[in-house]
Amino acid sequence: DGGITQSPKYLFRKEGQNVTLSCEQNLNHDAMYWYRQDPGQGLRLIYYSQIVNDFQKGDIAEGYSVSREKKESFPLTVTSAQKNPTAFYLCASSQGTGPSYGYTFGSGTRLTVV
Amino acid sequence: GNSVTQMEGPVTLSEEAFLTINCTYTATGYPSLFWYVQYPGEGLQLLLKATKADDKGSNKGFEATYRKETTSFHLEKGSVQVSDSAVYFCALSRSGGSNYKLTFGKGTLLTVNP
Repeated sequence: DGGITQSPKYLFRKEGQNVTLSCEQNLNHDAMYWYRQDPGQGLRLIYYSQIVNDFQKGDIAEGYSVSREKKESFPLTVTSAQKNPTAFYLCASSQGTGPSYGYTFGSGTRLTVV
Repeated sequence: GNSVTQMEGPVTLSEEAFLTINCTYTATGYPSLFWYVQYPGEGLQLLLKATKADDKGSNKGFEATYRKETTSFHLEKGSVQVSDSAVYFCALSRSGGSNYKLTFGKGTLLTVNP
């Protein structure tokens, strides 16, 4: 079955460390997105990519980095510059970039700084 | 700018009760509107959508009508079940150059008791 796979489901990071969250899709979708979810805040866009080797900053990109070397993969690195990284991270993809396309979401990665 | 405002939860109902979750939006142009549902510990799933004024989206007994005159997209269900307990997100598409991205409300937690 087609879908989006995020790994790991739970991740613990020590302060000062960089960590990378994996996101893989087999839907042949062009566009991919990373959102951060905090209690009571909804979802906030971190980065998005419309095509391989191209990506754009979202609303809260500081302290994060991404790459898009393959259509199927869009990993997110949470760097030590991100001051409050504990959150639930969601990856999504969409078939196109027009206004009527909905997103398919992965099941998320919960990151905790210890 | 573009934004989505949802009624604050939590909402607690008894099984078979009528559900309304209010959603209003602010947007330039003519956005598409979406409702997503998130079950505990999971990612978001698209519930329904509407792409132009007066469109009605429907799925699994849920309905929402795109009301441009009141800038609203309220979610309704005639008879809720315990299995409908989840967080519901209203969202709109917004233009960022050639790419449309989703802006989400803060979510409304629904609990249905037997």
